[in-house]
Amino acid sequence: DQQVKQNSPSLSVQEGRISILNCDYTNSMFDYFLWYKKYPAEGPTFLISISSIKDKNEDGRFTVFLNKSAKHLSLHIVPSQPGDSAVYFCAGDMRFGAGTRLTVKP
Amino acid sequence: DAGVIQSPRHEVTEMGQEVTLRCKPISGHDYLFWYRQTMMRGLELLIYFNNNVPIDDSGMPEDRFSAKMPNASFSTLKIQPSEPRDSAVYFCASRSRGTLGHTQYFGPGTRLTVL
Repeated sequence: DQQVKQNSPSLSVQEGRISILNCDYTNSMFDYFLWYKKYPAEGPTFLISISSIKDKNEDGRFTVFLNKSAKHLSLHIVPSQPGDSAVYFCAGDMRFGAGTRLTVKP
Repeated sequence: DAGVIQSPRHEVTEMGQEVTLRCKPISGHDYLFWYRQTMMRGLELLIYFNNNVPIDDSGMPEDRFSAKMPNASFSTLKIQPSEPRDSAVYFCASRSRGTLGHTQYFGPGTRLTVL
């Protein structure tokens, strides 16, 4: 069963605009939610995380929002840059979603 | 530190053959994870170890899959016999118990193709 779901396989945005990647989960017992970024032919690398007791965490251009009542989290990237183009994985502890491919157009 | 090391990076084999994937975690990390990435299911957790002991292998798809961790520096994932549907990228990851936020460190992956 998929405990973490990313329903949008792809997203395309213009450079300088905001990118919003979404994630839903079913397991209320996750301690942390994490976002990883993956470039082709490389392993995923950690980007940002949020504790289950928080509702927002910010790190530079990246902000993660957690809505526990809706079992939903989102990653905001502002402003988006072409170098942000990658596959983004949402994870609850060690359970991952299917990923969303973000393309930032110059 | 060299990071998580996986070998081989690419493996092409024929159906029915045995395949062994290898992983060296980051020194000092006490958790090790094996994942499989496919288009349909994304990153699937296959099994994870804590202090060399398998904790959860519920993600291992079939008895054809087995994993071992004989010591803190080495783990293997074996598929015997292999089938075309096993074709995927297999990732190994590790983390330390003290890592804030459960952050994992991934290897570069092994791309397996079963003909």
